[in-house]
Amino acid sequence: DGGITQSPKYLFRKEGQNVTLSCEQNLNHDAMYWYRQDPGQGLRLIYYSQIVNDFQKGDIAEGYSVSREKKESFPLTVTSAQKNPTAFYLCASRKTGEGYTFGSGTRLTVV
Amino acid sequence: DQQVKQNSPSLSVQEGRISILNCDYTNSMFDYFLWYKKYPAEGPTFLISISSIKDKNEDGRFTVFLNKSAKHLSLHIVPSQPGDSAVYFCAASGFNSGGSNYKLTFGKGTLLTVNP
Repeated sequence: DGGITQSPKYLFRKEGQNVTLSCEQNLNHDAMYWYRQDPGQGLRLIYYSQIVNDFQKGDIAEGYSVSREKKESFPLTVTSAQKNPTAFYLCASRKTGEGYTFGSGTRLTVV
Repeated sequence: DQQVKQNSPSLSVQEGRISILNCDYTNSMFDYFLWYKKYPAEGPTFLISISSIKDKNEDGRFTVFLNKSAKHLSLHIVPSQPGDSAVYFCAASGFNSGGSNYKLTFGKGTLLTVNP
């Protein structure tokens, strides 16, 4: 079955450490997205990529970095520069002309 | 500036009754609208969509209404069931546009609770 896989589901990070969240899709979708969800904030766009080797900043890109070396993969690195990284992170992909398909999310907690 | 607004953070209805979730938008370039349903600790799942050339789209118990002049859309769930209890996100994009409208803009969500 095609879909989006985010791993791990739960992740703990010490302050000052970088951590990378994985997102893989086998839907052959061109575009991929990273959103962050906080209570009462809805979904806020971090980064998105429309094609391989290209990505754009979203609304809250500071403290994050991404890469898009393969169509199937869009990993997100939460760097130590992100001041409030504890959140629920959602990856999504989209085929041109259709809506988003979301992964099941990664809950990141800074300890 | 919030371009997609869901002004009710929560809604509680009785099983069997109608649930009406509302959404307002400010960007006149939006021409495609979606509703997503989200359970705790899971990713949102697509529920129903509508393009700006329509004013109504129906799928089973779910109907979305679009009022372009008022920049308002609503999701009706009839009859409501306890399993419908979740957070509902309204989202919008310039569906046929590239560039900055390639992405979806989400509202903050409305928590629907359907009581047995």
